[in-house]
Amino acid sequence: GQSLEQPSEVTAVEGAIVQINCTYQTSGFYGLSWYQQHDGGAPTFLSYNALDGLEETGRFSSFLSRSDSYGYLLLQELQMKDSASYFCAVRAGGSYIPTFGRGTSLIVHP
Amino acid sequence: ETGVTQSPTHLIKTRGQQVTLRCSSQSGHNTVSWYQQALGQGPQFIFQYYREEENGRGNFPPRFSGLQFPNYSSELNVNALELDDSALYLCASTRLQDRGANYGYTFGSGTRLTVV
Repeated sequence: GQSLEQPSEVTAVEGAIVQINCTYQTSGFYGLSWYQQHDGGAPTFLSYNALDGLEETGRFSSFLSRSDSYGYLLLQELQMKDSASYFCAVRAGGSYIPTFGRGTSLIVHP
Repeated sequence: ETGVTQSPTHLIKTRGQQVTLRCSSQSGHNTVSWYQQALGQGPQFIFQYYREEENGRGNFPPRFSGLQFPNYSSELNVNALELDDSALYLCASTRLQDRGANYGYTFGSGTRLTVV
């Protein structure tokens, strides 16, 4: 099976940069995804890394190191609307179905 | 293009009852997955349907079952409801031939099920 670890909560101020880490244990790794979910809303796909390195999409970037079984989501120029839960999800083990971590609650303060 | 829609948005059931939740997948998507999300937890995979057949299942008992219809819409059925079944049930769709692609799954806003 797969297991993922991410911090339960991260706080930051508006305009700052924050990094949310994710470590995973799995076999047959395909890739790591990140999703954002606001309270009561649908998870929204943010990014996907299949290869080592940094993927940048606007204010959000995601990094993967397969040798370290580690990835992170970097959020720049934080805005109040970025307050949400962020989930890493791994595709592995012969299945393309993502397995989600428990999520990190990001709280952005003015 | 329309996204994933789920109905109903909220539902209250009594322990032991049966429930059916519905999902319309995003236009162009042929695969539907169902997830259970307990409060403060990540989504847990229940099962996935492709071409009207189940092609993947998580660690859920047989009283959780589903259907996919020719138009790629789907139902999740839960029999003999238990209190622990109270959760947000999420439906997600994708295109199976793109399962390795990097744009992920599209989720609906979910059905909040409360079992009392």
